Amino acid sequence: EAEVAQSPRYKITEKSQAVAFWCDPISGHATLYWYRQILGQGPELLVQFQDESVVDDSQLPKDRFSAERLKGVDSTLKIQPAELGDSAMYLCASSFRQGPYEQYFGPGTRLTVT
Amino acid sequence: GENVEQHPSTLSVQEGDSAVIKCTYSDSASNYFPWYKQELGKGPQLIIDIRSNVGEKKDQRIAVTLNKTAKHFSLHITETQPEDSAVYFCAASNNNNDMRFGAGTRLTVKP
Repeated sequence: EAEVAQSPRYKITEKSQAVAFWCDPISGHATLYWYRQILGQGPELLVQFQDESVVDDSQLPKDRFSAERLKGVDSTLKIQPAELGDSAMYLCASSFRQGPYEQYFGPGTRLTVT
Repeated sequence: GENVEQHPSTLSVQEGDSAVIKCTYSDSASNYFPWYKQELGKGPQLIIDIRSNVGEKKDQRIAVTLNKTAKHFSLHITETQPEDSAVYFCAASNNNNDMRFGAGTRLTVKP
Protein backbone atom coordinates (compact mmCIF):
# COMPACT_ATOMS: atom_id res chain seq x y z
CA GLU A 1 0.00 0.00 0.00
CA ALA A 2 1.38 3.42 -0.98
CA GLU A 3 2.32 5.69 1.89
CA VAL A 4 3.49 9.23 2.51
CA ALA A 5 7.14 9.23 3.58
CA GLN A 6 8.64 11.77 5.96
CA SER A 7 12.10 12.27 7.40
CA PRO A 8 13.52 12.63 9.91
CA ARG A 9 11.07 11.05 12.34
CA TYR A 10 12.56 12.94 15.27
CA LYS A 11 14.59 16.13 15.45
CA ILE A 12 16.06 17.93 18.44
CA THR A 13 17.52 21.35 17.79
CA GLU A 14 18.55 24.38 19.77
CA LYS A 15 16.64 27.62 19.42
CA SER A 16 17.95 29.95 16.72
CA GLN A 17 19.17 26.99 14.66
CA ALA A 18 17.80 26.03 11.26
CA VAL A 19 15.85 22.82 10.73
CA ALA A 20 14.37 21.14 7.65
CA PHE A 21 11.81 18.42 7.12
CA TRP A 22 11.28 16.33 4.00
CA CYS A 23 8.13 14.74 2.59
CA ASP A 24 7.51 12.39 -0.33
CA PRO A 25 3.77 12.10 -1.13
CA ILE A 26 1.93 9.11 -2.53
CA SER A 27 2.86 8.70 -6.18
CA GLY A 28 0.45 10.53 -8.44
CA HIS A 29 -0.91 12.82 -5.74
CA ALA A 30 -0.89 16.37 -7.03
CA THR A 31 -1.81 18.09 -3.77
CA LEU A 32 0.53 18.19 -0.78
CA TYR A 33 -0.08 19.67 2.66
CA TRP A 34 2.09 20.52 5.63
CA TYR A 35 0.37 20.58 9.01
CA ARG A 36 1.57 21.39 12.51
CA GLN A 37 0.12 19.45 15.41
CA ILE A 38 0.69 20.69 18.94
CA LEU A 39 0.41 18.02 21.61
CA GLY A 40 -3.23 17.47 22.57
CA GLN A 41 -4.64 19.34 19.57
CA GLY A 42 -5.75 18.60 16.03
CA PRO A 43 -3.51 19.29 13.02
CA GLU A 44 -3.46 22.86 11.68
CA LEU A 45 -2.66 23.60 8.06
CA LEU A 46 0.55 25.51 7.37
CA VAL A 47 0.78 25.32 3.58
CA GLN A 48 -0.91 23.61 0.65
CA PHE A 49 0.67 22.89 -2.75
CA GLN A 50 -1.01 22.02 -6.02
CA ASP A 51 1.79 20.48 -8.07
CA GLU A 52 4.68 22.94 -7.57
CA SER A 53 2.50 25.97 -6.78
CA VAL A 54 1.50 27.23 -3.36
CA VAL A 55 -2.30 27.55 -3.19
CA ASP A 56 -2.62 28.43 0.50
CA ASP A 57 0.08 29.62 2.89
CA SER A 58 -2.06 32.01 4.89
CA GLN A 59 -1.20 30.24 8.18
CA LEU A 60 2.52 29.89 7.49
CA PRO A 61 4.69 32.19 9.68
CA LYS A 62 6.63 33.49 6.72
CA ASP A 63 9.20 35.37 8.76
CA ARG A 64 10.76 32.06 9.80
CA PHE A 65 9.04 29.26 7.85
CA SER A 66 9.47 28.42 4.19
CA ALA A 67 8.24 25.55 2.04
CA GLU A 68 9.00 24.42 -1.46
CA ARG A 69 7.98 21.71 -3.89
CA LEU A 70 10.23 22.52 -6.80
CA LYS A 71 9.42 19.63 -9.14
CA GLY A 72 5.89 19.06 -7.93
CA VAL A 73 6.76 15.81 -6.19
CA ASP A 74 8.61 15.86 -2.86
CA SER A 75 8.63 18.86 -0.58
CA THR A 76 10.78 20.50 2.09
CA LEU A 77 9.62 22.60 5.03
CA LYS A 78 12.24 24.78 6.69
CA ILE A 79 12.31 26.76 9.92
CA GLN A 80 14.98 29.38 10.46
CA PRO A 81 15.52 30.36 13.21
CA ALA A 82 13.72 27.80 15.35
CA GLU A 83 11.96 29.04 18.49
CA LEU A 84 10.88 27.16 21.60
CA GLY A 85 7.24 27.49 20.55
CA ASP A 86 7.93 25.56 17.34
CA SER A 87 8.14 22.29 19.27
CA ALA A 88 5.39 20.15 17.73
CA MET A 89 4.68 17.30 15.32
CA TYR A 90 5.01 18.33 11.68
CA LEU A 91 2.77 16.26 9.46
CA CYS A 92 2.76 15.95 5.69
CA ALA A 93 -0.32 14.76 3.82
CA SER A 94 -1.23 14.26 0.19
CA SER A 95 -4.39 13.89 -1.87
CA PHE A 96 -5.10 12.98 -5.47
CA ARG A 97 -6.06 16.53 -6.29
CA GLN A 98 -7.27 19.77 -4.76
CA GLY A 99 -10.78 19.79 -3.39
CA PRO A 100 -12.71 17.83 -0.79
CA TYR A 101 -10.79 14.59 -1.29
CA GLU A 102 -9.20 12.07 1.02
CA GLN A 103 -5.97 13.25 2.59
CA TYR A 104 -3.41 10.63 3.58
CA PHE A 105 -0.89 11.49 6.27
CA GLY A 106 2.71 10.49 6.78
CA PRO A 107 4.15 9.43 10.15
CA GLY A 108 5.25 12.97 11.01
CA THR A 109 8.41 14.57 12.33
CA ARG A 110 8.50 15.24 16.06
CA LEU A 111 10.46 18.49 16.59
CA THR A 112 11.83 19.48 19.98
CA VAL A 113 13.45 22.91 20.29
CA THR A 114 15.64 23.36 23.38
CA GLY B 1 -13.65 30.40 8.61
CA GLU B 2 -14.68 26.92 9.67
CA ASN B 3 -14.77 25.98 13.34
CA VAL B 4 -15.06 22.33 14.38
CA GLU B 5 -15.90 21.35 17.92
CA GLN B 6 -15.51 17.76 19.14
CA HIS B 7 -16.90 16.02 22.21
CA PRO B 8 -16.05 14.34 24.46
CA SER B 9 -12.34 14.98 24.88
CA THR B 10 -11.89 11.62 26.61
CA LEU B 11 -14.01 8.48 26.46
CA SER B 12 -13.56 5.22 28.31
CA VAL B 13 -15.63 2.14 27.46
CA GLN B 14 -15.60 -1.54 28.28
CA GLU B 15 -14.56 -3.96 25.54
CA GLY B 16 -17.60 -4.91 23.50
CA ASP B 17 -19.51 -1.72 24.26
CA SER B 18 -20.23 1.02 21.72
CA ALA B 19 -18.47 4.39 21.53
CA VAL B 20 -19.90 7.60 20.07
CA ILE B 21 -17.95 10.76 19.29
CA LYS B 22 -19.76 13.92 18.18
CA CYS B 23 -18.64 16.96 16.18
CA THR B 24 -20.26 20.20 15.15
CA TYR B 25 -19.16 22.56 12.40
CA SER B 26 -19.97 26.16 11.61
CA ASP B 27 -19.47 26.64 7.84
CA SER B 28 -22.49 25.59 5.79
CA ALA B 29 -20.18 25.33 2.74
CA SER B 30 -18.39 22.34 4.28
CA ASN B 31 -19.22 19.23 2.28
CA TYR B 32 -16.68 16.57 3.24
CA PHE B 33 -16.29 15.10 6.71
CA PRO B 34 -13.48 12.61 7.38
CA TRP B 35 -12.58 10.83 10.60
CA TYR B 36 -9.01 10.00 11.53
CA LYS B 37 -7.50 7.61 14.08
CA GLN B 38 -4.12 8.55 15.52
CA GLU B 39 -2.06 6.12 17.55
CA LEU B 40 0.79 7.29 19.75
CA GLY B 41 3.76 8.52 17.73
CA LYS B 42 2.04 8.00 14.37
CA GLY B 43 0.32 10.17 11.81
CA PRO B 44 -3.48 10.31 11.55
CA GLN B 45 -5.03 7.41 9.63
CA LEU B 46 -8.21 7.96 7.62
CA ILE B 47 -10.82 5.46 8.86
CA ILE B 48 -14.06 6.66 7.30
CA ASP B 49 -15.50 9.72 5.62
CA ILE B 50 -18.86 11.07 4.52
CA ARG B 51 -19.97 13.66 2.01
CA SER B 52 -22.81 16.11 2.39
CA ASN B 53 -25.10 14.28 -0.04
CA VAL B 54 -25.18 11.23 2.25
CA GLY B 55 -26.75 10.93 5.70
CA GLU B 56 -25.04 7.78 6.91
CA LYS B 57 -22.16 5.52 5.95
CA LYS B 58 -21.05 2.25 7.48
CA ASP B 59 -17.89 0.16 7.25
CA GLN B 60 -17.95 -3.00 9.37
CA ARG B 61 -17.92 -1.83 13.02
CA ILE B 62 -17.61 1.85 12.17
CA ALA B 63 -20.39 4.18 11.06
CA VAL B 64 -20.69 7.91 10.55
CA THR B 65 -23.89 9.98 10.50
CA LEU B 66 -24.35 13.53 9.22
CA ASN B 67 -27.08 16.03 10.00
CA LYS B 68 -26.57 18.98 7.63
CA THR B 69 -29.42 20.99 9.07
CA ALA B 70 -27.99 20.87 12.57
CA LYS B 71 -24.40 20.95 11.29
CA HIS B 72 -23.26 17.97 13.27
CA PHE B 73 -21.81 14.57 12.52
CA SER B 74 -20.93 11.58 14.66
CA LEU B 75 -18.66 8.54 14.69
CA HIS B 76 -20.07 5.29 16.02
CA ILE B 77 -17.86 2.31 16.87
CA THR B 78 -19.64 -0.89 17.82
CA GLU B 79 -18.22 -3.96 19.57
CA THR B 80 -15.15 -2.02 20.64
CA GLN B 81 -11.83 -3.82 20.99
CA PRO B 82 -8.65 -2.82 22.89
CA GLU B 83 -6.96 -2.04 19.56
CA ASP B 84 -9.56 0.68 18.98
CA SER B 85 -7.85 2.67 21.75
CA ALA B 86 -6.40 5.82 20.15
CA VAL B 87 -7.11 9.50 19.60
CA TYR B 88 -9.87 10.15 17.07
CA PHE B 89 -10.18 13.40 15.11
CA CYS B 90 -13.10 14.67 13.10
CA ALA B 91 -12.61 17.22 10.34
CA ALA B 92 -14.66 19.34 7.95
CA SER B 93 -13.64 20.51 4.50
CA ASN B 94 -15.07 22.60 1.69
CA ASN B 95 -14.39 22.67 -2.05
CA ASN B 96 -11.17 24.58 -1.46
CA ASN B 97 -10.00 21.70 0.73
CA ASP B 98 -9.69 24.06 3.66
CA MET B 99 -9.81 21.23 6.19
CA ARG B 100 -10.28 22.05 9.86
CA PHE B 101 -9.86 19.46 12.58
CA GLY B 102 -11.53 19.00 15.92
CA ALA B 103 -9.42 18.89 19.08
CA GLY B 104 -9.58 15.10 19.30
CA THR B 105 -11.11 12.41 21.53
CA ARG B 106 -8.93 10.01 23.45
CA LEU B 107 -10.74 6.67 23.42
CA THR B 108 -9.73 3.98 25.88
CA VAL B 109 -11.20 0.49 25.55
CA LYS B 110 -10.77 -1.53 28.72
CA PRO B 111 -10.37 -5.29 28.29
